[in-house]
Amino acid sequence: AQTVTQSQPEMSVQEAETVTLSCTYDTSESDYYLFWYKQPPSRQMILVIRQEAYKQQNATENRFSVNFQKAAKSFSLKISDSQLGDAAMYFCAYRSDLTGNQFYFGTGTSLTVIP
Amino acid sequence: DTAVSQTPKYLVTQMGNDKSIKCEQNLGHDTMYWYKQDSKKFLKIMFSYNNKELIINETVPNRFSPKSPDKAHLNLHINSLELGDSAVYFCASSQESGSRDEQFFGPGTRLTVL
Repeated sequence: AQTVTQSQPEMSVQEAETVTLSCTYDTSESDYYLFWYKQPPSRQMILVIRQEAYKQQNATENRFSVNFQKAAKSFSLKISDSQLGDAAMYFCAYRSDLTGNQFYFGTGTSLTVIP
Repeated sequence: DTAVSQTPKYLVTQMGNDKSIKCEQNLGHDTMYWYKQDSKKFLKIMFSYNNKELIINETVPNRFSPKSPDKAHLNLHINSLELGDSAVYFCASSQESGSRDEQFFGPGTRLTVL
């Protein structure tokens, strides 16, 4: 089974600064999808950004962008101009293109935003 | 127009009781899931159904029994509740193939066993 590793259980960032959350994964597949989910204190899981492995261009959604390094099996999330509302748990997830109904989640990174 | 809904959102019960959590999705997805999130926020897959058929059944006590009456519903029944069952349970759905869709999650059910 694929594994997803988030090596930073906790991170903090000053408001308006930039922070990068790490994610690595292990797979032998060439086609797959990667996601970052945000879970604020309300506990609702919200999709932040997605990346298709066949695309070389890094995905961007407003202040959120990823650094996708396929060879290194790395998928980090960069949050620019951090806001208080960004404080949440962030989960990295992997979805196989072969077995499309199986998702693998990392253990999460708790992000604190300091005013 | 909620995509994935769960009821109830909170459930407090005594040890030994039997309880159910219901989940419905109106996205037309063919796959539904149950996850357990413990106090450390780890998300653990419990079950997955594709078109009403069980496809993922992780190591979960057989006190937990999922039931999918149709592909839009996946309920979770728990017998003889134990203290360790206290957690947040998430239902989710996705489309299996030919799609880049992510999983859509319900709001979660916080189960507290006293």
